Amino acid sequence: DSGVTQTPKHLITATGQRVTLRCSPRSGDLSVYWYQQSLDQGLQFLIQYYNGEERAKGNILERFSAQQFPDLHSELNLSSLELGDSALYFCASSVSPGQGSRMNTEAFFGQGTRLTVV
Amino acid sequence: ILNVEQSPQSLHVQEGDSTNFTCSFPSSNFYALHWYRWETAKSPEALFVMTLNGDEKKKGRISATLNTKEGYSYLYIKGSQPEDSATYLCATNAGNMLTFGGGTRLMVKP
Repeated sequence: DSGVTQTPKHLITATGQRVTLRCSPRSGDLSVYWYQQSLDQGLQFLIQYYNGEERAKGNILERFSAQQFPDLHSELNLSSLELGDSALYFCASSVSPGQGSRMNTEAFFGQGTRLTVV
Repeated sequence: ILNVEQSPQSLHVQEGDSTNFTCSFPSSNFYALHWYRWETAKSPEALFVMTLNGDEKKKGRISATLNTKEGYSYLYIKGSQPEDSATYLCATNAGNMLTFGGGTRLMVKP
């Protein structure tokens, strides 16, 4: 058990709908990362938050948004869903902010949320 | 976003074979190189974190080396076992975020 909790584990929804994926980081971790793993693709970085603030943005679509709350949990909102959004969405947490410092602590991953858009 | 590249993309070996694969990354603004093991239906788990040029880490039959000047890291598995079958991911924080390579998928045949 990595200590990172993601809910729900599975989600099936229709095209055009909106869903929210939730991530609770490990106790004490301030940094949260969201990744997408589509069929036959590696891990694609979406977005990173540190202590409530957005720190880095990757290949995240405009239809997607995220936030990190004061209790450090994070939510990834996916809207106007398309079939191609079907993927495994991972959240990871780490202690270091990963910017301007020596980020030598590893990230711990949740079990992922498998999203299927039909 | 800077590219982190891994090769080969996939690898089939026989039980008992030793194998290695490569992670290439931009050497500028380097802070750390991470290796993760990702088994099917599970989440990635950290194997090693290396920060200094010339670092070598070992865990059982798995070891890794780091060359920050030329921007590469090798992961070695000695005497592969079927339970080593997984995707091995490397990641670096070049570019101020943890960026993953595409992974090397290792399949060990008994």
